[in-house]
Amino acid sequence: DQQVKQNSPSLSVQEGRISILNCDYTNSMFDYFLWYKKYPAEGPTFLISISSIKDKNEDGRFTVFLNKSAKHLSLHIVPSQPGDSAVYFCAASDTGANNLFFGTGTRLTVIP
Amino acid sequence: EPEVTQTPSHQVTQMGQEVILRCVPISNHLYFYWYRQILGQKVEFLVSFYNNEISEKSEIFDDQFSVERPDGSNFTLKIRSTKLEDSAMYFCASRTSGSSYNEQFFGPGTRLTVL
Repeated sequence: DQQVKQNSPSLSVQEGRISILNCDYTNSMFDYFLWYKKYPAEGPTFLISISSIKDKNEDGRFTVFLNKSAKHLSLHIVPSQPGDSAVYFCAASDTGANNLFFGTGTRLTVIP
Repeated sequence: EPEVTQTPSHQVTQMGQEVILRCVPISNHLYFYWYRQILGQKVEFLVSFYNNEISEKSEIFDDQFSVERPDGSNFTLKIRSTKLEDSAMYFCASRTSGSSYNEQFFGPGTRLTVL
Protein backbone atom coordinates (compact mmCIF):
# COMPACT_ATOMS: atom_id res chain seq x y z
CA ASP A 1 0.00 0.00 0.00
CA GLN A 2 2.12 2.84 -1.32
CA GLN A 3 -0.41 5.63 -1.52
CA VAL A 4 2.19 8.22 -0.56
CA LYS A 5 5.71 7.93 -1.89
CA GLN A 6 8.92 9.74 -1.17
CA ASN A 7 11.37 8.39 -3.69
CA SER A 8 14.47 10.06 -2.30
CA PRO A 9 15.59 8.43 0.94
CA SER A 10 18.21 11.11 1.53
CA LEU A 11 19.24 14.59 0.46
CA SER A 12 22.34 16.65 1.29
CA VAL A 13 22.38 20.41 0.87
CA GLN A 14 24.85 23.14 1.73
CA GLU A 15 23.83 25.61 4.40
CA GLY A 16 22.15 28.64 2.89
CA ARG A 17 21.02 26.83 -0.25
CA ILE A 18 17.55 25.60 -1.09
CA SER A 19 16.34 22.15 -0.01
CA ILE A 20 13.62 20.59 -2.14
CA LEU A 21 11.88 17.50 -0.85
CA ASN A 22 9.44 15.70 -3.09
CA CYS A 23 6.38 13.57 -2.53
CA ASP A 24 3.97 11.76 -4.86
CA TYR A 25 0.59 10.29 -4.12
CA THR A 26 -1.75 7.96 -5.94
CA ASN A 27 -5.11 8.42 -4.22
CA SER A 28 -7.11 11.15 -5.97
CA MET A 29 -9.37 11.38 -2.89
CA PHE A 30 -6.60 12.97 -0.85
CA ASP A 31 -7.38 16.63 -0.31
CA TYR A 32 -5.09 17.66 2.51
CA PHE A 33 -1.35 17.28 2.68
CA LEU A 34 1.09 17.78 5.51
CA TRP A 35 4.81 17.77 6.08
CA TYR A 36 6.25 16.52 9.33
CA LYS A 37 9.80 16.74 10.56
CA LYS A 38 11.27 14.07 12.79
CA TYR A 39 14.41 14.04 14.88
CA PRO A 40 15.79 10.77 16.26
CA ALA A 41 14.00 9.55 19.38
CA GLU A 42 11.22 12.12 18.95
CA GLY A 43 7.77 12.02 17.45
CA PRO A 44 6.92 13.68 14.13
CA THR A 45 6.54 17.45 14.46
CA PHE A 46 4.01 19.21 12.27
CA LEU A 47 5.68 21.64 9.91
CA ILE A 48 3.32 22.91 7.24
CA SER A 49 0.19 21.82 5.40
CA ILE A 50 -1.76 22.57 2.27
CA SER A 51 -5.33 22.04 1.21
CA SER A 52 -6.11 20.80 -2.29
CA ILE A 53 -7.87 24.08 -3.07
CA LYS A 54 -4.48 25.80 -3.02
CA ASP A 55 -1.30 25.25 -4.97
CA LYS A 56 1.08 26.98 -2.60
CA ASN A 57 1.39 27.65 1.10
CA GLU A 58 4.24 29.55 2.68
CA ASP A 59 5.38 29.82 6.27
CA GLY A 60 8.65 31.59 6.83
CA ARG A 61 11.45 29.59 5.26
CA PHE A 62 9.11 26.74 4.35
CA THR A 63 6.91 26.60 1.26
CA VAL A 64 4.81 23.69 0.11
CA PHE A 65 3.74 23.41 -3.52
CA LEU A 66 0.93 21.18 -4.71
CA ASN A 67 0.44 20.00 -8.30
CA LYS A 68 -2.85 18.13 -8.26
CA SER A 69 -2.76 17.08 -11.90
CA ALA A 70 0.60 15.42 -11.33
CA LYS A 71 -0.33 14.22 -7.83
CA HIS A 72 2.87 15.72 -6.60
CA LEU A 73 3.87 18.01 -3.80
CA SER A 74 7.15 19.45 -2.71
CA LEU A 75 8.59 21.19 0.31
CA HIS A 76 11.07 24.00 -0.24
CA ILE A 77 13.30 25.19 2.58
CA VAL A 78 15.11 28.45 1.92
CA PRO A 79 17.67 29.12 3.23
CA SER A 80 18.56 25.72 4.64
CA GLN A 81 20.10 25.66 8.10
CA PRO A 82 22.02 22.89 9.92
CA GLY A 83 19.15 22.65 12.41
CA ASP A 84 16.90 21.57 9.55
CA SER A 85 18.76 18.26 9.40
CA ALA A 86 16.10 15.65 10.16
CA VAL A 87 13.83 13.13 8.48
CA TYR A 88 10.94 14.77 6.64
CA PHE A 89 7.70 12.89 6.14
CA CYS A 90 5.00 13.75 3.70
CA ALA A 91 1.48 12.77 4.79
CA ALA A 92 -1.94 12.91 3.17
CA SER A 93 -5.55 12.53 4.15
CA ASP A 94 -9.02 13.05 2.85
CA THR A 95 -11.63 14.93 4.87
CA GLY A 96 -13.79 11.84 5.02
CA ALA A 97 -11.14 9.83 6.81
CA ASN A 98 -9.41 10.30 10.09
CA ASN A 99 -6.03 8.83 9.49
CA LEU A 100 -2.91 10.12 7.84
CA PHE A 101 -1.05 8.18 5.18
CA PHE A 102 2.67 8.71 5.47
CA GLY A 103 5.50 8.44 3.00
CA THR A 104 8.70 6.65 3.91
CA GLY A 105 10.56 9.84 4.67
CA THR A 106 13.57 11.72 3.30
CA ARG A 107 16.59 12.28 5.48
CA LEU A 108 17.81 15.84 4.96
CA THR A 109 21.36 16.71 5.90
CA VAL A 110 22.32 20.37 5.80
CA ILE A 111 26.07 20.75 5.64
CA PRO A 112 27.52 23.78 7.46
CA GLU B 1 3.22 25.06 24.45
CA PRO B 2 0.91 22.11 25.05
CA GLU B 3 2.21 18.76 23.88
CA VAL B 4 1.29 15.10 23.69
CA THR B 5 3.16 12.99 26.22
CA GLN B 6 3.74 9.24 26.23
CA THR B 7 4.93 6.74 28.81
CA PRO B 8 7.05 4.74 29.03
CA SER B 9 9.66 5.89 26.56
CA HIS B 10 10.92 2.33 26.21
CA GLN B 11 9.14 -0.92 27.06
CA VAL B 12 10.79 -4.32 26.89
CA THR B 13 8.57 -7.37 27.18
CA GLN B 14 8.57 -11.07 26.57
CA MET B 15 6.60 -12.52 23.68
CA GLY B 16 3.08 -13.39 24.79
CA GLN B 17 2.95 -10.79 27.53
CA GLU B 18 0.46 -7.95 27.69
CA VAL B 19 1.63 -4.36 27.42
CA ILE B 20 -0.15 -1.08 27.93
CA LEU B 21 1.20 2.05 26.32
CA ARG B 22 0.01 5.33 27.75
CA CYS B 23 -0.59 8.70 26.23
CA VAL B 24 -1.81 12.06 27.50
CA PRO B 25 -3.18 14.00 24.54
CA ILE B 26 -3.33 17.78 24.40
CA SER B 27 -6.06 18.80 26.80
CA ASN B 28 -8.58 20.45 24.47
CA HIS B 29 -8.19 17.83 21.74
CA LEU B 30 -10.97 15.37 21.08
CA TYR B 31 -9.61 13.08 18.37
CA PHE B 32 -6.94 10.58 19.33
CA TYR B 33 -4.78 8.26 17.29
CA TRP B 34 -2.21 5.53 17.55
CA TYR B 35 0.41 4.99 14.86
CA ARG B 36 3.42 2.73 14.75
CA GLN B 37 6.72 2.74 12.92
CA ILE B 38 8.66 -0.46 12.51
CA LEU B 39 12.37 0.24 12.24
CA GLY B 40 13.24 1.44 8.76
CA GLN B 41 9.63 1.57 7.61
CA LYS B 42 7.02 4.27 7.32
CA VAL B 43 4.68 5.49 10.01
CA GLU B 44 1.48 3.42 9.83
CA PHE B 45 -1.97 4.24 11.13
CA LEU B 46 -3.42 1.87 13.72
CA VAL B 47 -6.58 3.39 15.12
CA SER B 48 -8.50 6.60 15.68
CA PHE B 49 -10.77 7.32 18.64
CA TYR B 50 -13.45 9.93 19.11
CA ASN B 51 -16.31 10.34 21.55
CA ASN B 52 -15.24 7.28 23.52
CA GLU B 53 -15.28 4.90 20.61
CA ILE B 54 -13.11 3.73 17.77
CA SER B 55 -13.87 5.71 14.62
CA GLU B 56 -11.45 3.94 12.29
CA LYS B 57 -8.92 1.15 12.46
CA SER B 58 -6.44 -0.37 10.07
CA GLU B 59 -5.84 -3.99 9.19
CA ILE B 60 -2.95 -3.99 11.64
CA PHE B 61 -5.31 -3.29 14.51
CA ASP B 62 -6.55 -6.83 15.06
CA ASP B 63 -8.15 -8.45 18.09
CA GLN B 64 -4.87 -8.35 20.00
CA PHE B 65 -5.10 -4.56 20.17
CA SER B 66 -7.48 -2.40 22.14
CA VAL B 67 -7.70 1.25 23.09
CA GLU B 68 -9.27 2.97 26.01
CA ARG B 69 -9.75 6.40 27.46
CA PRO B 70 -10.03 5.42 31.12
CA ASP B 71 -10.32 8.98 32.42
CA GLY B 72 -10.40 12.53 31.14
CA SER B 73 -6.73 12.70 30.30
CA ASN B 74 -5.21 9.32 29.44
CA PHE B 75 -5.50 7.37 26.21
CA THR B 76 -4.07 3.84 26.24
CA LEU B 77 -3.12 1.19 23.72
CA LYS B 78 -3.14 -2.38 24.97
CA ILE B 79 -1.56 -5.31 23.19
CA ARG B 80 -2.88 -8.49 24.78
CA SER B 81 -0.31 -11.05 23.70
CA THR B 82 2.71 -9.46 22.13
CA LYS B 83 4.49 -10.95 19.14
CA LEU B 84 8.01 -10.35 17.92
CA GLU B 85 6.65 -8.37 14.98
CA ASP B 86 4.97 -5.91 17.37
CA SER B 87 8.41 -4.45 18.08
CA ALA B 88 8.17 -0.85 16.85
CA MET B 89 7.89 2.77 17.88
CA TYR B 90 4.33 3.56 18.86
CA PHE B 91 3.18 7.13 18.48
CA CYS B 92 0.10 8.70 19.98
CA ALA B 93 -1.38 11.74 18.26
CA SER B 94 -4.27 14.08 18.86
CA ARG B 95 -6.09 16.86 17.12
CA THR B 96 -8.70 19.40 17.96
CA SER B 97 -12.24 19.18 16.76
CA GLY B 98 -14.13 21.68 14.69
CA SER B 99 -11.69 21.68 11.83
CA SER B 100 -11.97 19.91 8.54
CA TYR B 101 -8.22 19.87 8.45
CA ASN B 102 -6.26 17.05 9.89
CA GLU B 103 -3.26 18.55 11.65
CA GLN B 104 -2.37 15.90 14.14
CA PHE B 105 0.13 16.50 16.90
CA PHE B 106 2.36 13.60 17.86
CA GLY B 107 3.92 12.46 21.09
CA PRO B 108 7.57 11.41 21.39
CA GLY B 109 6.73 7.73 21.06
CA THR B 110 7.20 4.54 23.03
CA ARG B 111 9.76 2.09 21.76
CA LEU B 112 8.37 -1.41 22.27
CA THR B 113 10.83 -4.27 22.14
CA VAL B 114 9.40 -7.79 22.21
CA LEU B 115 11.91 -10.53 23.02
